[in-house]
Amino acid sequence: DVKVTQSSRYLVKRTGEKVFLECVQDMDHENMFWYRQDPGLGLRLIYFSYDVKMKEKGDIPEGYSVSREKKERFSLILESASTNQTSMYLCASSLPSGTYGELFFGEGSRLTVL
Amino acid sequence: AQSVTQLGSHVSVSEGALVLLRCNYSSSVPPYLFWYVQYPNQGLQLLLKYTSAATLVKGINGFEAEFKKSETSFHLTKPSAHMSDAAEYFCAVSHYNNNDMRFGAGTRLTVKP
Repeated sequence: DVKVTQSSRYLVKRTGEKVFLECVQDMDHENMFWYRQDPGLGLRLIYFSYDVKMKEKGDIPEGYSVSREKKERFSLILESASTNQTSMYLCASSLPSGTYGELFFGEGSRLTVL
Repeated sequence: AQSVTQLGSHVSVSEGALVLLRCNYSSSVPPYLFWYVQYPNQGLQLLLKYTSAATLVKGINGFEAEFKKSETSFHLTKPSAHMSDAAEYFCAVSHYNNNDMRFGAGTRLTVKP
């Protein structure tokens, strides 16, 4: 069974802390994504990566960075967490462009920043 | 850039009634369109997808959607709602040459006994 695994389901952090959210996929997918999900706003794309060490900004990259050192792993980094980054974060992966582009999602990481 | 609009943040139906969830898209090139479902405390699962083949697409759990280019719509339907259909539903759009996908705001479906 295909799987996208997010390392933490629930995190509570304090304002100013550095936060790492990790995601691993076992499908050998080229593309990986980080979305943020908020009520009434749906999913908003933060960053995506189409290859190791490659990244592209999505719609809301401010306050976030990403790292992709290995094909199967894509990390989201909050350098200095703020309360307005309290949200659900979803990682996804897919085959490269030129295919059907269906996304496979992890179960999400719910981050609370106090 | 592509985008989708889901009409109605909440839809409530009785068990056995027709389910209709509305989605309109905006795209300058031929779109790929998707419906995903999210159950509480879970990630998103693919219900169905349109990728320029048949305009009527059948998905899992009895859902289907019809691509209407003239109306720029991709509405999701199910003839008879079941209690287990209660969830949040997201419409999404991408393209053949795009790596990214854009989602609507979601529609929460409630099914009353």
